[in-house]
Amino acid sequence: LAKTTQPISMDSYEGQEVNITCSHNNIATNDYITWYQQFPSQGPRFIIQGYKTKVTNEVASLFIPADRKSSTLSLPRVSLSDTAVYYCLVGLPYGGATNKLIFGTGTLLAVQP
Amino acid sequence: SQTIHQWPATLVQPVGSPLSLECTVEGTSNPNLYWYRQAAGRGLQLLFYSVGIGQISSEVPQNLSASRPQDRQFILSSKKLLLSDSGFYLCAWNMDRGFYEQYFGPGTRLTVT
Repeated sequence: LAKTTQPISMDSYEGQEVNITCSHNNIATNDYITWYQQFPSQGPRFIIQGYKTKVTNEVASLFIPADRKSSTLSLPRVSLSDTAVYYCLVGLPYGGATNKLIFGTGTLLAVQP
Repeated sequence: SQTIHQWPATLVQPVGSPLSLECTVEGTSNPNLYWYRQAAGRGLQLLFYSVGIGQISSEVPQNLSASRPQDRQFILSSKKLLLSDSGFYLCAWNMDRGFYEQYFGPGTRLTVT
């Protein structure tokens, strides 16, 4: 399983764009990159997933360089309600006995007014 | 649409008492089911997962056990709680296709005193 490394915490202000980078140097050829968001006392929520280049949805964008050894979650114009822990995960997109989600400690994003 | 339920929402139990947490999923058939635990300020730790009725895989040896008596029901149990069992317990489900998109329940906050 590819290990991921993220900053422990980040600070931002309302209205700013926030970029959270995740390193995954040992990512395998068939692995996908997935990001989750977790608010206090709630379960994590799937945000976005990608394999290469750029993926965008209504919540965020995910940038993946050609070597795929890192990825960047971009949150446009954050608000106070975006304060949460963000997790980066790497692995196969399908199930099976050996495929498991591995959540690290994530990045605590604190958005200030 | 699919929904996932967990109960109770909060629980305070003395050391040595038994535990039973229940999780049910609606709106889907034969899901993969998971139990996670999250200690304060930590990431999620996978405890058990199940790919079908009666099929349980344990990730971490401990005094907890899991059972899946029905297709969409997942139960976490203990015969004698320890102080170290305190934490936030989350149930999740997904399908094999789209594996990395797991859907989490609201969680149970367990405090062992």
